[in-house]
Amino acid sequence: AQSVTQPDIHITVSEGASLELRCNYSYGATPYLFWYVQSPGQGLQLLLKYFSGDTLVQGIKGFEAEFKRSQSSFNLRKPSVHWSDAAEYFCAVGGVSGTYKYIFGTGTRLKVLA
Amino acid sequence: GAVVSQHPSWVICKSGTSVKIECRSLDFQATTMFWYRQFPKQSLMLMATSNEGSKATYEQGVEKDKFLINHASLTLSTLTVTSAHPEDSSFYICSGSRREGGELFFGEGSRLTVL
Repeated sequence: AQSVTQPDIHITVSEGASLELRCNYSYGATPYLFWYVQSPGQGLQLLLKYFSGDTLVQGIKGFEAEFKRSQSSFNLRKPSVHWSDAAEYFCAVGGVSGTYKYIFGTGTRLKVLA
Repeated sequence: GAVVSQHPSWVICKSGTSVKIECRSLDFQATTMFWYRQFPKQSLMLMATSNEGSKATYEQGVEKDKFLINHASLTLSTLTVTSAHPEDSSFYICSGSRREGGELFFGEGSRLTVL
């Protein structure tokens, strides 16, 4: 069965420090991969996506992610975190089983220390 | 990016009443819309997938008679929570997609509180 795993439920980093949020997926084919961010009480905003091609994708707000097929991973990174990055981050796999379905990970809550 | 708007953003209702939440794609035609439910500090749970002009496909465990979904046009889908009870209180989020596997555009979410 398809699944998305975000191993870290909570992550705390200091402002200015680098960040890596982990995401692993289980899917038979090459999936469409996404990272979304959600601020409290808000909807989801797309940070970046991978469909094909270059495995290092750049997103908004200085985020990037790297697709590693051999590790079934799509980790999100940012070289220097800002206090405004504190939010919930969701990794998602799209186009599951040839459908429109998306599977979301359980999310990682990021806390940024001043 | 494309814009999806949900209305209302929050609603409080009495137990036993019905509540309708609208989801509109403002600047694109959403061939498919999705309705999610999110419990506090949890991930999004897909409730149903709706395609314009056809019946919605509900996920296992979701009561289709309680959560009525209508996708009357390429820009509007509605979720009606019928005979709402306190356990239906949640954050409901809709999203739309132009095409299969394409990016999902999310609404702002609607917080339902049933007293």
